[in-house]
Amino acid sequence: DVKVTQSSRYLVKRTGEKVFLECVQDMDHENMFWYRQDPGLGLRLIYFSYDVKMKEKGDIPEGYSVSREKKERFSLILESASTNQTSMYLCASSPGGTLTQHFGDGTRLSIL
Amino acid sequence: GEDVEQSLFLSVREGDSSVINCTYTDSSSTYLYWYKQEPGAGLQLLTYIFSNMDMKQDQRLTVLLNKKDKHLSLRIADTQTGDSAIYFCAESMSGATNKLIFGTGTLLAVQP
Repeated sequence: DVKVTQSSRYLVKRTGEKVFLECVQDMDHENMFWYRQDPGLGLRLIYFSYDVKMKEKGDIPEGYSVSREKKERFSLILESASTNQTSMYLCASSPGGTLTQHFGDGTRLSIL
Repeated sequence: GEDVEQSLFLSVREGDSSVINCTYTDSSSTYLYWYKQEPGAGLQLLTYIFSNMDMKQDQRLTVLLNKKDKHLSLRIADTQTGDSAIYFCAESMSGATNKLIFGTGTLLAVQP
């Protein structure tokens, strides 16, 4: 079975802090994705990566950056956290050339 | 732009059938997906349908696709309390990307 692991289930940070959310997959997938989930808005794509060191902006990249130094790990960075970034963050991966995405359990991030 | 719409809430009694509806906009989507999200968890792939199919059945789940109306539905027969969750439909984007566009999610509440 595909395993997508997000490093924290719950995280509380302060406004202005630099925040790192980590995601690791164990199936050698080429594609990795970061979403945020908010009530009534569904899942919105922040960034995705289709290869090591490659990244593309999603629909809401402002205030975020990403890093993919190794194939199995995709990090989401909040450069200077703000309260409107309080949300559930979901990481997903998929094999190259296929569309089916496999999700981690999510990180519920609160910015105070 | 792309938009996937779902109603926000559905309530059914245990043992009844549930029908969750979704409309999408990209007529050239190759695959359409249904994901399930249980409380506090990530998204779990339930089923998917290829765009040249009208129907797909998998045990208690039936997916119907009306390409002319860009309408997708998920029917759950003999709904159980364990089916209570948020259900997301998603369409694949046309073109060379591996992105999915997710709907807002439908919260299914099953009353005993």
